[in-house]
Amino acid sequence: GEDVEQSLFLSVREGDSSVINCTYTDSSSTYLYWYKQEPGAGLQLLTYIFSNMDMKQDQRLTVLLNKKDKHLSLRIADTQTGDSAIYFCAESMRGYSSASKIIFGSGTRLSIRP
Amino acid sequence: DVKVTQSSRYLVKRTGEKVFLECVQDMDHENMFWYRQDPGLGLRLIYFSYDVKMKEKGDIPEGYSVSREKKERFSLILESASTNQTSMYLCASSDGAGGNQPQHFGDGTRLSIL
Repeated sequence: GEDVEQSLFLSVREGDSSVINCTYTDSSSTYLYWYKQEPGAGLQLLTYIFSNMDMKQDQRLTVLLNKKDKHLSLRIADTQTGDSAIYFCAESMRGYSSASKIIFGSGTRLSIRP
Repeated sequence: DVKVTQSSRYLVKRTGEKVFLECVQDMDHENMFWYRQDPGLGLRLIYFSYDVKMKEKGDIPEGYSVSREKKERFSLILESASTNQTSMYLCASSDGAGGNQPQHFGDGTRLSIL
């Protein structure tokens, strides 16, 4: 069935790199997304990658996609206290009319140690 | 930038009341979505709409209805609120062109049913 899995917690030291991992099940997914949710707020789209790409870099963010293993990762370089949040991995699936259905993981809570 | 606005950040209602949650987007997006977010359960899709006056059930539509009379506005209705509908409600919109476009979220409405 449809499933997106990610670990619940990650703790890193300020200034180190954070790597958040995600696995998904639907091989027909065309887009994979990373969203960030700060306390009390909605989800903010951080970045997304087409399924025909292996990597995408955007400033401190690097997304790696391994289609064979259905594995997606988000690397945050030089992690700062402002990066503390919950990070959601998500995959898109066609099926509902012209609207894409997005399946979200349960989120990884990233905490930063001084 | 895409702007998705939810009318209330916090709302407190009583059991049995009819509750309206409003969402407006300013990007002329075809698709709009309502989710609820609960600890340990992630985001669950309640209803979505891919056009004015069109609606489709998501994964957990029971106890809810929706209205899309204008393209920019998507309302979630709790016909007779119950305590198990206490949750964080998130609205999102996406461009319908080609499908699989990323969803953009509002800041959420934290609803408490007493």
